[in-house]
Amino acid sequence: NAGVTQTPKFQVLKTGQSMTLQCAQDMNHEYMSWYRQDPGMGLRLIHYSVGAGITDQGEVPNGYNVSRSTTEDFPLRLLSAAPSQTSVYFCASTGFGLAGGGEQFFGPGTRLTVL
Amino acid sequence: GENVEQHPSTLSVQEGDSAVIKCTYSDSASNYFPWYKQELGKRPQLIIDIRSNVGEKKDQRIAVTLNKTAKHFSLHITETQPEDSAVYFCAASLSGSARQLTFGSGTQLTVLP
Repeated sequence: NAGVTQTPKFQVLKTGQSMTLQCAQDMNHEYMSWYRQDPGMGLRLIHYSVGAGITDQGEVPNGYNVSRSTTEDFPLRLLSAAPSQTSVYFCASTGFGLAGGGEQFFGPGTRLTVL
Repeated sequence: GENVEQHPSTLSVQEGDSAVIKCTYSDSASNYFPWYKQELGKRPQLIIDIRSNVGEKKDQRIAVTLNKTAKHFSLHITETQPEDSAVYFCAASLSGSARQLTFGSGTQLTVLP
């Protein structure tokens, strides 16, 4: 049981490039989410999904797209990278039913630098 | 939307002393309040949580208290140890669970030997 996995661990992009951050979980959790973590600002919710085929915006969605074609995978796409997107990105998943909730498990993070 | 403020941003205590971190939230409908510990270079991990129908919850040296009237909740760590040194984040949710969390800005706790 690997929990929540993310790839890559590190990435350097040039302004304007696009890329996809991968996230997968093997706990059969319905709820998955993406956060960015910047110094002094805690974690901010980018997008989340309550199940396959269902996604919604969080607090800071601009410049990012997500999709949820399977329960296991929840990739985050940067459409045209900007220096302001330099951050550490965490994927997380939470189990149980839509009305309730269990513990939120985080992936190991992806450190992204945009030059 | 929900706003969570966390204080202090840094906290140093002597080993064996207690540490208290406080958070306030803006939306009175918030009903789930977890605390996460993040060691340097690692992922956040849940250490304790509390729901709005409970005023206090303890787990060994860690406790969380909730004051719904004042809209604030606090993390208490007793008998601190060097391995307690980390960044601690509070969060709040309207969903009753660890979904759509709004996080505080974090507290860097340093336990001095």
